[in-house]
Formats: sequence, C-alpha cells, structure tokens
Amino acid sequence: EVQLVQSGAEVKKPGESLKISCKGSGYTFSFYWIAWVRQMPGKGLEWMGIIYPTDSDTRYSPSFRGQVTISADKSVRTAYLQWSSLKASDTAVYYCARRSADGNFFEYWGQGTLVTVSS
Amino acid sequence: QTVVTQEPSFSVSPGGTVTLTCGLSSGSVSTSYYPSWYQQTPGQAPRTLIYSTNTRSSGVPDRFSGSILGNKAALTITGAQADDESDYYCVIYMGSGISLFGGGTKLTVL
Repeated sequence: EVQLVQSGAEVKKPGESLKISCKGSGYTFSFYWIAWVRQMPGKGLEWMGIIYPTDSDTRYSPSFRGQVTISADKSVRTAYLQWSSLKASDTAVYYCARRSADGNFFEYWGQGTLVTVSS
Repeated sequence: QTVVTQEPSFSVSPGGTVTLTCGLSSGSVSTSYYPSWYQQTPGQAPRTLIYSTNTRSSGVPDRFSGSILGNKAALTITGAQADDESDYYCVIYMGSGISLFGGGTKLTVL
C-alpha cells in the first residue's frame, strides 16, 4: 500500500526556520515525483513545486521560488519542504502528493502538516 | 501568468446532476493538459477523483465523470448525494513538471 506520512504540526515564531517532511512507503520512492501543495486558512490549493528524488531535479512555482526550498533524501525515502525565515503569511496546511507514473496527476496524498507562524 | 478558472460555488439538489467546469485564462483546455479533479472535505486531504480528463481513480463511484465541454474540462456528478458536498479542484498539467490548481468550487447539496 502506497503511503505518504507527513511530519506533525508546528508552531513557530516569525523569523524562525523550519523543515517539514513527507516519508513515502509501499513503492520505489526514487522513481516518482513528489509535489508540495499549500492551503492557507479558508483558501484553495496552490502548487508550490516538485522534486524527483532520484536526482533531486526540482521545479518551483514562480510564486514560491526563493521563498521555500524543496529537497529529498532517497536513502530515507523522504521529501522535505523548508523555510529559512518564516512569516505569518506562511501559516497554512502543507500537503505532499506523489505524482503518477505518467506524471500527469497527483495519485497519492499525505495527510497534511499544519504550520502556524505567530508571535 | 496563466490562471485556471473554476466556478466559486454551485448548488445541486439531492439526486440531481451538476457540471463543474475548469478553464484557462488564456486558451482552451484540451486532453493534452491532462486535466484532473480532486475532492476535499473540511479538515481532510484532497482525494483524487478523475485524471487524464475522464479516467476515474480507484474506488470513485461512477456517478462522477470527466469530459471536455467546449473549451473547458468538466466534472459531472450524476445523482448527487449529500456526502458529495465538498470543495472540488481541477488541476491542469502545464508540462515540464509544472501543474496549476484552479481556485476550487464549493458544492452545496440541498
């Protein structure tokens, strides 16, 4: 069974750094792209970027490039999303999603990680 | 910058049929964009409903169907049920690994 298990909720202060994770199981982790998706409170889903764990080839949405860093460690079957300096506007639920083999849709989803940034 | 458009809200009566659409701010949606649809209820992760325009994901009831209508992708729910009340998002695959979400449609069943 394919599963994506995300790290737990975080409460941070503005200016702090953070790295959240998404661990894949039940499939060959290296061979499937993993995307990150943001959902701000009461808002819709936004595609942030995607990474191919085999070679860490990464693509970012223009809206998120330079704001976050997406990485992966295939040895531990885990993808990451990190911030160097959080802002209150980063408060959101973040989902990871595995792309399908043909790459055209999101086939499996993590449960989401709530990040709250507040002073 | 390309924007994916969806109706902000829609309502349908129980047992009724509703069609939600997904368009592009510039151009038409075709099968080459591999439109997909996702259902999300409050507090839950999205659930994949339809991919590659009209293929139902595993376990999705056949009352959900996808198509291209004119210049848009469409999600039709036939025989709507109370638990279909959710937010529905379409995703357009732009190529080079890049995807775009629509703003979502809040469907009310009443």
